[in-house]
Amino acid sequence: QVYMVESGGGVVQPGTSLRLSCAASGFTFGNYAMHWVRQAPGKGLEWVAVIWYNESNKKYVDSVKGRFTISRDNSKNTLYLQMNSLRAEDTAVYYCARGGLYSSGWYFDYWGQGILVIVSS
Amino acid sequence: DIQMTQSPSSLSASVGDRVTITCRASQTISSYLNWYQQTPGKAPKLLIYSASSLQSGVPSRFSGSESGTDFTLTISSLQPEDFAIYYCQQSYSFPWTFGQGTKVEIK
Repeated sequence: QVYMVESGGGVVQPGTSLRLSCAASGFTFGNYAMHWVRQAPGKGLEWVAVIWYNESNKKYVDSVKGRFTISRDNSKNTLYLQMNSLRAEDTAVYYCARGGLYSSGWYFDYWGQGILVIVSS
Repeated sequence: DIQMTQSPSSLSASVGDRVTITCRASQTISSYLNWYQQTPGKAPKLLIYSASSLQSGVPSRFSGSESGTDFTLTISSLQPEDFAIYYCQQSYSFPWTFGQGTKVEIK
């Protein structure tokens, strides 16, 4: 079955960097767009970024543009989120989520269990 | 950005009740509207996609409908496992945005 597990979270100081990973299995990873969605503690959901199946297109929410980079390694069935210049407001549980076949798709049909990132001095 | 506004923010209901949650988009989004359920400490789960299509494996007591820029999630007979937070989400244009959530609590 479809399974995704995030890793790389933790507690970091403002202004530093962190790279999240999402290891996927149970489907042909290289055929699907993948997303990152985050949820600040006690708050709602916020879409962060998407990457097309072949990295031909990437999109970001304005609040992370220029600081976060989404990427993937289809040979390793792994999605990444490089987060630079972290701010306190980036504190959240980060979920990877599956998008559509080849393009962004229209919904998130499978989600990882989430990984917590805390940005604090 | 397209704003999604859910109502109510929370509601109390009893097992067996019919529950309706509404989501309004700030502009047209066609039928690019999805509904998710989230229980404490868990990842969201897709319930309804494209406004009214039931995701595989989701009980038929869940249904979705649309009227213009207003969308509705209905639970026909609330079950104990349905007490959760429900989110709508538009995928008409980037950035994809979510409603603020509706918490369904036990009366």
